[in-house]
Amino acid sequence: DTGVSQDPRHKITKRGQNVTFRCDPISEHNRLYWYRQTLGQGPEFLTYFQNEAQLEKSRLLSDRFSAERPKGSFSTLEIQRTEQGDSAMYLCASSLAAGGPMETQYFGPGTRLLVL
Amino acid sequence: AQKITQTQPGMFVQEKEAVTLDCTYDTSDQSYGLFWYKQPSSGEMIFLIYQGSYDEQNATEGRYSLNFQKARKSANLVISASQLGDSAMYFCAMREGRGTGNQFYFGTGTSLTVIP
Repeated sequence: DTGVSQDPRHKITKRGQNVTFRCDPISEHNRLYWYRQTLGQGPEFLTYFQNEAQLEKSRLLSDRFSAERPKGSFSTLEIQRTEQGDSAMYLCASSLAAGGPMETQYFGPGTRLLVL
Repeated sequence: AQKITQTQPGMFVQEKEAVTLDCTYDTSDQSYGLFWYKQPSSGEMIFLIYQGSYDEQNATEGRYSLNFQKARKSANLVISASQLGDSAMYFCAMREGRGTGNQFYFGTGTSLTVIP
């Protein structure tokens, strides 16, 4: 039983460059979530998908952030024109869509982004 | 107002003793879910325990139990028989909203140190 995987684990980029992160959820999970976590803070919810449908995106941090899940399996998070303030850990999680304990989100190891 | 409040930035506990980590939440929804996660220094988010808003009994998972007081909107985590490996950040989280209209919130965390 493989868990949530994320790639890359670390990314260093220069300000103004675009970056893309990938997340592969647990295979039977319908829902996929993206979070940002800055140092000393809890995860901050960004967006989530149920299958290929993006159900909530109003909390994406700016229009430079976008996410896709085209076939309802893996997802990508893209940040365009990166800024130093984008430096953070980007976490992906997945869950079953049903309520109750099955809505529990299981997290990947994260992608740590550093913008120089 | 904060959706999730964790008022203890840092806690210390003697090995083998019990410790309570506080969490209060704010929602007007009737249906919501509450979660606790552990984040060791390695960075991975590890699910510990879940409590649904309609669950009448407090959730328990091994050495973890959730003291759910709905009227007070509190969901404290109790760790019994603390072990050195319990030293980590602990986050309280909430899902509110029904069906496809979910929102997710995490607290700022409590750093727990277990003393030998």
